[in-house]
Amino acid sequence: EDQVTQSPEALRLQEGESSSLNCSYTVSGLRGLFWYRQDPGKGPEFLFTLYSAGEEKEKERLKATLTKKESFLHITAPKPEDSATYLCGLRSWGKFQFGAGTQVVVTP
Amino acid sequence: EAGVTQFPSHSVIEKGQTVTLRCDPISGHDNLYWYRRVMGKEIKFLLHFVKESKQDESGMPNNRFLAERTGGTYSTLKVQPAELEDSGVYFCASSPLVGRQGTEAFFGQGTRLTVV
Repeated sequence: EDQVTQSPEALRLQEGESSSLNCSYTVSGLRGLFWYRQDPGKGPEFLFTLYSAGEEKEKERLKATLTKKESFLHITAPKPEDSATYLCGLRSWGKFQFGAGTQVVVTP
Repeated sequence: EAGVTQFPSHSVIEKGQTVTLRCDPISGHDNLYWYRRVMGKEIKFLLHFVKESKQDESGMPNNRFLAERTGGTYSTLKVQPAELEDSGVYFCASSPLVGRQGTEAFFGQGTRLTVV
């Protein structure tokens, strides 16, 4: 059965303190590994799609990487506006499946 | 371009009543998904439409839930009769139908359902 596990559950960072979020997965037939950001009271907002091991994508202070077993979301020099829940999901033969998310709080 | 639209944004109903949630996907998106998040837990898959056909409904919790997608456009999710454990946030997402590789899905703002 396909599985997505995210860690840590919560992360508290000082502004400027870089860190990484982990997404471990098992899947038969990966058709995409996705990262989303979710703010309270809103729907998930798409960030990145990764398709194959070794692939990397960047957007502002965020960088996503992918191996055959896990993906990392690196947050470099975060700012308070980066506070959100970050969701990792994968697509296999149709449906999207998500992890529980990592709640990130960045304090000034 | 309009995004995925869901309504109502909030609904409070009594146990035993019926509620219908609606989702309007992005125009041209053949894939439509329903998810829900219960009690702050992970977002759980409910079902997947390709156009008007149900591709996968393995996540539907029981037969009190009925989803339809008329003419491959908007979709409704009806809960009848509602139970307390149905409370949560229901999300709809859509994506285009493309070849072998998946593309990202775009989410609506969600409908917060409270059953009292």
